[in-house]
Amino acid sequence: TQLLEQSPQFLSIQEGENLTVYCNSSSVFSSLQWYRQEPGEGPVLLVTVVTGGEVKKLKRLTFQFGDARKDSSLHITAAQPGDTGLYLCAGAGSGGSNYKLTFGKGTLLTVNP
Amino acid sequence: KAGVTQTPRYLIKTRGQQVTLSCSPISGHRSVSWYQQTPGQGLQFLFEYFSETQRNKGNFPGRFSGRQFSNSRSEMNVSTLELGDSALYLCASSVGQANFYGYTFGSGTRLTVV
Repeated sequence: TQLLEQSPQFLSIQEGENLTVYCNSSSVFSSLQWYRQEPGEGPVLLVTVVTGGEVKKLKRLTFQFGDARKDSSLHITAAQPGDTGLYLCAGAGSGGSNYKLTFGKGTLLTVNP
Repeated sequence: KAGVTQTPRYLIKTRGQQVTLSCSPISGHRSVSWYQQTPGQGLQFLFEYFSETQRNKGNFPGRFSGRQFSNSRSEMNVSTLELGDSALYLCASSVGQANFYGYTFGSGTRLTVV
C-alpha cells in the first residue's frame, strides 16, 4: 500500500510570508500531483510532476519532485489570503495503478490579511 | 465547458437505508473515479470506471458499489448505511490516465447518516 505523508498538517501565516509544505513517501511514484481544495468544493489540480528532480512554477507557487520520485514540496512566495485552502498531494503508481491516485491527508493553509 | 456534476449536493439518510449518488463527467472523459473524504482519513479511493468497466477498486466493503453507463455517467450505491459512512463523496473524471492528466473533481455529495 502506497502512503503519502504531508507536513505540516496545519499552517497559519500572515499575508506576505513564504511557506513550504512537504509530501513524503517510502514508495516510488510514476507521477505526483498537487491539488487545492476550498471549503464546499472538490479539489482542483494545480500541477503534475513526472520526472525526478523536476521543478515547475505556477506564478508564486513552486513545485519540486524529489530525485528518487518518493517526495515532493510546494513552496509559496509572498502568500496571499486567496491561497487559503487545503493542499493535497497525490501519487500514482505504475501499470494498472495509473488509473488511481493515492492522496495525502493534506495541509490546511490559512493566510491571514 | 461544463464541469463534473454531482447530484444531490446534500443528503441525509437513516442507518440501514441505501443511497444512490450520481455523477456526470466532463464531456469526452471516459474515466470516472469515486473517492470518500472524511476529516480523519482524507480522500480514500473507492473505484474507477472506464467504458462501463470497473478497472480498479479500493478497500471498501461490498456495501459500496458503482456502475458506469454508456454515456460515461456514473452512479455509486451504498447499501445498509452505517453512521461511519457519513462523508463527502467526490467524483472525478479524467480524459486519460489519471497519473498524467490528473482529475477534474465535482463539488461532491455531502452524505450524513443519522
